[in-house]
Amino acid sequence: EADIYQTPRYLVIGTGKKITLECSQTMGHDKMYWYQQDPGMELHLIHYSYGVNSTEKGDLSSESTVSRIRTEHFPLTLESARPSHTSQYLCASSELGGVGQYFGPGTRLTVT
Amino acid sequence: QQQVKQSPQSLIVQKGGIPIINCAYENTAFDYFPWYQQFPGKGPALLIAIRPDVSEKKEGRFTISFNKSAKQFSLHIMDSQPGDSATYFCAARGLSNSGYALNFGKGTSLLVTP
Repeated sequence: EADIYQTPRYLVIGTGKKITLECSQTMGHDKMYWYQQDPGMELHLIHYSYGVNSTEKGDLSSESTVSRIRTEHFPLTLESARPSHTSQYLCASSELGGVGQYFGPGTRLTVT
Repeated sequence: QQQVKQSPQSLIVQKGGIPIINCAYENTAFDYFPWYQQFPGKGPALLIAIRPDVSEKKEGRFTISFNKSAKQFSLHIMDSQPGDSATYFCAARGLSNSGYALNFGKGTSLLVTP
């Protein structure tokens, strides 16, 4: 069954730690995205990728970085977590010429 | 600057009622308008979508009404059920510094009571 996976689902971590949020999809989609979602707020695009070795920053400034070494995998890394990074992070994917985006279940990150 | 404005923020209806969620936009270059449904602990799921050359689209109990001249679109849920209780996001696709990107509304929390 084609799907999009995110791990971990929940993460509580101390300030200054390095973390990597994993995202994988089995749909063969070229385009992948990372969004940040806070309660009562719209989803904000922080990173996207058109395919392998392609990564771009989104409209919302973020201190995180991403990589795209394999089509199906799009991890997000925070080198030094801060309390301001506390949020829900959503990964999504779509076909290169498609309009519909398919979302993973999200990772809820809390930085203490 | 928020590109898509969504209202109301929250909505409570009785089972069988017809909740209506409204969205407005300014950018006439937007070319695709999806609605997403999100349950607690889950990611948003594409529910229904419309292009600006169509005034209405219906899929099951969900209907999008689109008014291009008013730059508004709305989601209607017919015969609403408690299982429809979720947060609903409207979005609009347009060209930005990020290429084609979805601009989301802030969401509407819908509660359907038995």
